[in-house]
Amino acid sequence: AQTVTQSQPEMSVQEAETVTLSCTYDTSESDYYLFWYKQPPSRQMILVIRQEAYKQQNATENRFSVNFQKAAKSFSLKISDSQLGDAAMYFCAYRRRGSGTYKYIFGTGTRLKVLA
Amino acid sequence: DVKVTQSSRYLVKRTGEKVFLECVQDMDHENMFWYRQDPGLGLRLIYFSYDVKMKEKGDIPEGYSVSREKKERFSLILESASTNQTSMYLCASSFWGRALGEQFFGPGTRLTVL
Repeated sequence: AQTVTQSQPEMSVQEAETVTLSCTYDTSESDYYLFWYKQPPSRQMILVIRQEAYKQQNATENRFSVNFQKAAKSFSLKISDSQLGDAAMYFCAYRRRGSGTYKYIFGTGTRLKVLA
Repeated sequence: DVKVTQSSRYLVKRTGEKVFLECVQDMDHENMFWYRQDPGLGLRLIYFSYDVKMKEKGDIPEGYSVSREKKERFSLILESASTNQTSMYLCASSFWGRALGEQFFGPGTRLTVL
């Protein structure tokens, strides 16, 4: 069975600094998606960034980038130039790729605090 | 703008009551999901559905049932609410096909069972 592990329940970063959130996963599949979702306080969960496992290039979305290490089954999220609005719960998630209905496997989340 | 909406943001019920949580999506997604979110446990899948009237158990289906009579609507039912079902409930939807792969989430319903 697939698992997703986020070993940092809480992290803090100074405004304008860089922070990295860790995620490891376990799967026997070779084709899958990995996601980072952001859940701001009392607000809707939204997708931050997505990585397709067959792509070697790390995904980037503005200040958000990932370090995808397929062999190590590691998928960390780097937030550069942190802003107060980045404060949220961040969830790492896995889903098998392909047509069909596959379960999404979520980690337990990392609460990020941004200090002014 | 894509949307997943849930019928209530906050709900307070009594033990033993039958509770209905409604979710509606306007993206013509085939797949719909119900999760519960608890601190330190992340998101746990209760049920999901890949088509009208079709449903599959997730990881924690006990004490819950679901209904999907229309493609856009997926309901979660607590037959007899108990205090250990106090939680945040999140609905999500996604495409069946390969496109994108991501889920879209509703705002959540915070349910308190007294």
